[in-house]
Amino acid sequence: SYVLTQPPSVSVAPGNTARITCDGNNIEDKDVHWYQQKPGQAPVLVIYYDFDRPSGIPERFSGSDSGNTATLTITSVEAGDEADYYCQVWDGNSNRVVFGGGTKLTVL
Amino acid sequence: QLQESGPGLVKPSETLSLTCTVSGDSFTSHNYLWGWIRQTPGKGLEWLGTVSYSGSIDYSPSFQSRITMSVDTSQSQFSLRLSSVTAADTAVYFCASLYFSSGLYYFDFWGQGTLVTVSS
Repeated sequence: SYVLTQPPSVSVAPGNTARITCDGNNIEDKDVHWYQQKPGQAPVLVIYYDFDRPSGIPERFSGSDSGNTATLTITSVEAGDEADYYCQVWDGNSNRVVFGGGTKLTVL
Repeated sequence: QLQESGPGLVKPSETLSLTCTVSGDSFTSHNYLWGWIRQTPGKGLEWLGTVSYSGSIDYSPSFQSRITMSVDTSQSQFSLRLSSVTAADTAVYFCASLYFSSGLYYFDFWGQGTLVTVSS
């Protein structure tokens, strides 16, 4: 089965750039989606189709992928960006949703 | 919008049952599947399964032996049943809409989640 691996935690100072990675075999051949989850809340889609943003998501959020790694980049990080972030793909070989293990973003 | 409902407390070895009610016109859309995801305390998101309005179903292999999902199009609802529960099934259960088109599959809307505790 397809596996997505994320670092457990990333820390960044306010105003700096955060990069959260998601590793998967030839992930560049898949469509990667990213969710933000704040404590006690449901996840919110922040990036779909590798790099598209839903309406209402700031331009500070962007996505990219290459080879075996997809990356969620958050520029000019704010305290309000502190949350857990999950990557997700669809494994078409088995018709399954696959989530990464999640990354806790801490704003120092 | 999506809203989960069901008991918040289930006894070990019994069956967990939850329903998700969908508001709006998308329930019978050909571009949507309807999914259940759970999150155990302090852990990540875990996909349980998805169902279409026509009843086509995909389950996670991790739950294949004890999960049942169904739809009620007349009520714009879909349901989850998880049998033989243990304390390890204590989690927040989310229902969500899985949009799909041209190979894209992503959850665009989520319910608020409901905590189900397995305890005697």
